[in-house]
Amino acid sequence: AQSVTQLGSHVSVSEGALVLLRCNYSSSVPPYLFWYVQYPNQGLQLLLKYTSAATLVKGINGFEAEFKKSETSFHLTKPSAHMSDAAEYFCAVIPTGGFKTIFGAGTRLFVKA
Amino acid sequence: DTEVTQTPKHLVMGMTNKKSLKCEQHMGHRAMYWYKQKAKKPPELMFVYSYEKLSINESVPSRFSPECPNSSLLNLHLHALQPEDSALYLCASSQERQGQETQYFGPGTRLLVL
Repeated sequence: AQSVTQLGSHVSVSEGALVLLRCNYSSSVPPYLFWYVQYPNQGLQLLLKYTSAATLVKGINGFEAEFKKSETSFHLTKPSAHMSDAAEYFCAVIPTGGFKTIFGAGTRLFVKA
Repeated sequence: DTEVTQTPKHLVMGMTNKKSLKCEQHMGHRAMYWYKQKAKKPPELMFVYSYEKLSINESVPSRFSPECPNSSLLNLHLHALQPEDSALYLCASSQERQGQETQYFGPGTRLLVL
C-alpha cells in the first residue's frame, strides 16, 4: 500500500535560515504529490503540488519542492525562514489511478528569533 | 475564488444531542469530502461525495450521517456522539474525483463532545 514518510516530527530553525522538510513516498509509479500547511486552529492550505509537469515545483510563500524519482523523495525547502512559517506541514500523495489523499504524519516547524 | 467555508467554527455538544456541520463551496467542484483530524495527527478520510452521490464511506460509525443536498453544499449530521469523536472536522472539495485533482480544504469545525 502507498505510504508517505515525513522524517522528523519536529524541525527547528532560526529566522533567516534554510528550511528543509523531508518527505519520502513508497511507490513504483510516481504518484501525485502535495505539501499542505496547517496553522494553529486552522484548516489545511495547499503550498504546492507535483503532477509530473516539472520536477522542481514552486509554491506559495517562497516554498519549493523537488521531485526525485530515484530517491522517491519530495522534500520541501525555503531559503530563508520567517517567523510566520511556524506551522504544521503535511506531505501527501494521491496514488496514480487513485483518488484518496494519503497524508504523512506531519512535521511541526518551529522558527526561532 | 478557491474558498471552502465551514460552519460553525466551534461546537460543543452532549452525547444525546443532534447537531449538524455545514460545508459550502462555489468553485463548481463536483467532489466533496469529510475528514476527521485528531490533535497532532494527519486528517483521516471519512466520506466522499461525487456528483452529489456518496461514493466512499470509510467504515465510519452510523452516528455520523453525511448529506449532499446540492452540488455546493455538504452536511455532516451528528447524533449520539462519544467523547472520542472530539476532533477537528475538515471539509474539502475538488473538481473531480480524480487522482490529479487538488483538494481544497475548509478551515474546519472544532467539535467537543462532553
